[in-house]
Formats: sequence, structure tokens, C-alpha cells
Amino acid sequence: SAVISQKPSRDICQRGTSLTIQCQVDSQVTMMFWYRQQPGQSLTLIATANQGSEATYESGFVIDKFPISRPNLTFSTLTVSNLSPEDSSIYLCSVRLYGYTFGSGTRLTVV
Amino acid sequence: AQKITQTQPGMFVQEKEAVTLDCTYDTSDPSYGLFWYKQPSSGEMIFLIYQGSYDQQNATEGRYSLNFQKARKSANLVISASQLGDSAMYFCAMREGVTGGGNKLTFGTGTQLKVEL
Repeated sequence: SAVISQKPSRDICQRGTSLTIQCQVDSQVTMMFWYRQQPGQSLTLIATANQGSEATYESGFVIDKFPISRPNLTFSTLTVSNLSPEDSSIYLCSVRLYGYTFGSGTRLTVV
Repeated sequence: AQKITQTQPGMFVQEKEAVTLDCTYDTSDPSYGLFWYKQPSSGEMIFLIYQGSYDQQNATEGRYSLNFQKARKSANLVISASQLGDSAMYFCAMREGVTGGGNKLTFGTGTQLKVEL
């Protein structure tokens, strides 16, 4: 399976600021997925990031709030912009390679 | 309608006993895959087991087995000989074929399992 390095593992941010999360994969992958897990909830897909094209966002998620970059086949970033306490969640990246592998997650707290 | 339904918010099991975690799914796509993940309190997602819609036999991985009943659209996870380290949240997930959305996974709401001495 793939190995994904996700950073940061946790952060506490002030409302109105932004946080950028990075995921580095040890293999080249076509698609990377970004999920949000709100406290006590399941995982919800934010968007699918393809290299060389715009990310595809799920209903309820917009690019202005969750801009994604995918500069190459092993790396992606998710930015959570204009933070509010409602953005406090775990954010996870995932790739489909021999199944679905997840990063270790970023636990975001907005104060 | 929910695509993945997990009706057990919480379960308790005695150490060394077997436990079944329920999962039903809804899809009209003939090609799909079903996954189970374990999420300990640390938050990481640990892959446990996979069942493809065309697989003839139920999947097994060590102490984990998947009771796949295609006609009933259920994919229950069976954990044998429970251990204290099995205490975690368990998620059932589905990947549908091209007609159902392609590569993304849809998750159920999860079951919190606690293993007791």
C-alpha cells in the first residue's frame, strides 16, 4: 500500500485565518481525495484532486473556502480559508492505490 | 437516501468473544466495492478488509471476516477473539462503479466498539 505523510498533525488557529494542509505520497497517483470529519461524525468527501486540472468539489464545498493545489503526482495541499469554529474537524487526505490509504489526519481547532 | 447505513452507534463485547458490526448499502451499480476501516482515538484510518461485488467468497483477513450477503445488500464485519486493542470506531464504506460516482468512497456513520475485560 501507499505511504502518505500528512502535515501538520494538529493545529490551533484563530478565526479568520487560514490553514494549509500538505500530503506527500510515496508513489505517483492520479487522484487524491480530501475528507473532513467533524467531531463525532463520519468522513465527508470535500473534493477530488487530479494533477493538471481543477479539483472536483462535492456538493456543499466550494473552491473559495477549500482551495486545493495538485502540482505533481505525489503531492497535494488543502487550504481551509477564513476559519470559523465550525471548521474545527479532522481533515484527511487519501489515495487509491492498492485500495484506499489515508494520511494520519490533521486535527484542526479554531478558536 | 443513505448509501451506507450502520445502525449500531455503539457496541460492547467481552474480550476473546466474537462481535458482528452491521452494514447495509444501497446502490444500483453492479460493480462496487465495500471496505471496513478502523479509526482509533488517534484519528488515523486503518484499512481492515475489502469485498468486491463480484467476489464469490466472503473476504477474510486474520481475525476479520466480512459476511457478504449480496441479495440483502449487507456487508457485516465479524471480529473474532476480540482484544482490548480492538476498541475503536469502525466505518463501513463503499466505492461504486462509474455510474455511481467512480473512485470516491462513501462512508457510513460508524460504530463505536468497546472491548471489555
